[in-house]
Amino acid sequence: EVQLVESGGGVIQPGGSLRLSCAVSGSSDNFNYMSWVRQAPGKGLEWVSVLYNVGGNSYYADSVKGRFTISRDNSRNTLYLQMNSLRSEDTAVYYCARGTTYFYYMEVWGNGTTVTVTS
Amino acid sequence: EIVMTQSPATLSVFPGERATLSCRASQSVSSNLAWYQQKPGQAPRLLIYDASTRATGIPARFSGSGSGTEFTLTISSLQSEDFAVYYCQQYNNWPPESTFGPGTKVDIK
Repeated sequence: EVQLVESGGGVIQPGGSLRLSCAVSGSSDNFNYMSWVRQAPGKGLEWVSVLYNVGGNSYYADSVKGRFTISRDNSRNTLYLQMNSLRSEDTAVYYCARGTTYFYYMEVWGNGTTVTVTS
Repeated sequence: EIVMTQSPATLSVFPGERATLSCRASQSVSSNLAWYQQKPGQAPRLLIYDASTRATGIPARFSGSGSGTEFTLTISSLQSEDFAVYYCQQYNNWPPESTFGPGTKVDIK
């Protein structure tokens, strides 16, 4: 059974940086999509970024483009989200999610890590 | 950008009754539509993908239908554990930029 475990959240001042990690265990399947999705307090789900393993291309929501970077370390089975120039509106629970080989719907989710941006 | 809308925002249902949730896309997404369930304090869980295929372990009382721009999630007989928020998501785009609907909260009448 695939498990995703996020870490790295915390309280950070506006303008600061944080790196989230998502450890993937329990699967040797090939899957090409790994995503980050966030949820602000009391709000709905917002897609943040996806990494397409074929070619290593990454894509971002306009709200984080130029500030966030998604990456993956296959040797460590870990997905990352580097978050720079953080703003109060980035406050949210951040989930990593695994897609499938061919599609980027979120088949498996982690439990999330909380990021709070406050002065 | 494809915009997803969901209706109603809140649905109040008696246990044992049928619930019908709607999701609409601003342009055709073919059958590339997923539904997720989220309970308070928990991560979302995949229910349905490809508009009508139940994910592993999802009970048969959950069913999805639709294609193009109009989709429906039906819960045939609501159980206590089904009271939650339900989100739809399209995954038809290339580049692979997802969009979620705003969610429908199903609560106890």
